[in-house]
Amino acid sequence: DAGVIQSPRHEVTEMGQEVTLRCKPISGHNSLFWYRQTMMRGLELLIYFNNNVPIDDSGMPEDRFSAKMPNASFSTLKIQPSEPRDSAVYFCASRRQGAGEKLFFGSGTQLSVL
Amino acid sequence: GENVEQHPSTLSVQEGDSAVIKCTYSDSASNYFPWYKQELGKRPQLIIDIRSNVGEKKDQRIAVTLNKTAKHFSLHITETQPEDSAVYFCAASGTSYGKLTFGQGTILTVHP
Repeated sequence: DAGVIQSPRHEVTEMGQEVTLRCKPISGHNSLFWYRQTMMRGLELLIYFNNNVPIDDSGMPEDRFSAKMPNASFSTLKIQPSEPRDSAVYFCASRRQGAGEKLFFGSGTQLSVL
Repeated sequence: GENVEQHPSTLSVQEGDSAVIKCTYSDSASNYFPWYKQELGKRPQLIIDIRSNVGEKKDQRIAVTLNKTAKHFSLHITETQPEDSAVYFCAASGTSYGKLTFGQGTILTVHP
């Protein structure tokens, strides 16, 4: 298996633009998590899905952030409009519920909002 | 919700010494405690984990101990090597969905 796949690896955009981050979980995993990592706040859980259904989005900073999981093999995190304070590394992670709780991370998307 | 505190924030040791990182958690229902290692510019990777029905687990040079009564757990690295230099994160989870709450991380530097 190729592991959790995220795209793009790097994204540079201007304030006010829409940003879409993409994630393909490991095949067979039915729980998917979006994390944001910054020096100041560490690893923050934004939202997670189980069987494609959002379970907890209390970590989403504000309405500018939205996430979808239309099927078991794809999820998106969208920021509209983006702001400089959104600059961070965004990680997607997945696990298989009930088969141990090992969580596997993707390589992350380094987002810079100018 | 769960709150995980991790100490120290930075740790510097000489090659061959031992390193210990400690974490405390707040939710007594938490039952799964993994540790992740993150090298610069890379993804966090699981290095060892422990469940609440076990007090200690060892894998070569790394070991984790858990004290459920005191709600704290620790990572022990023996015979440290320069390649152990990284950021280490502890985490705790108590739900069936596997939601992990992470500590703030410890920057470990091993000097040759």
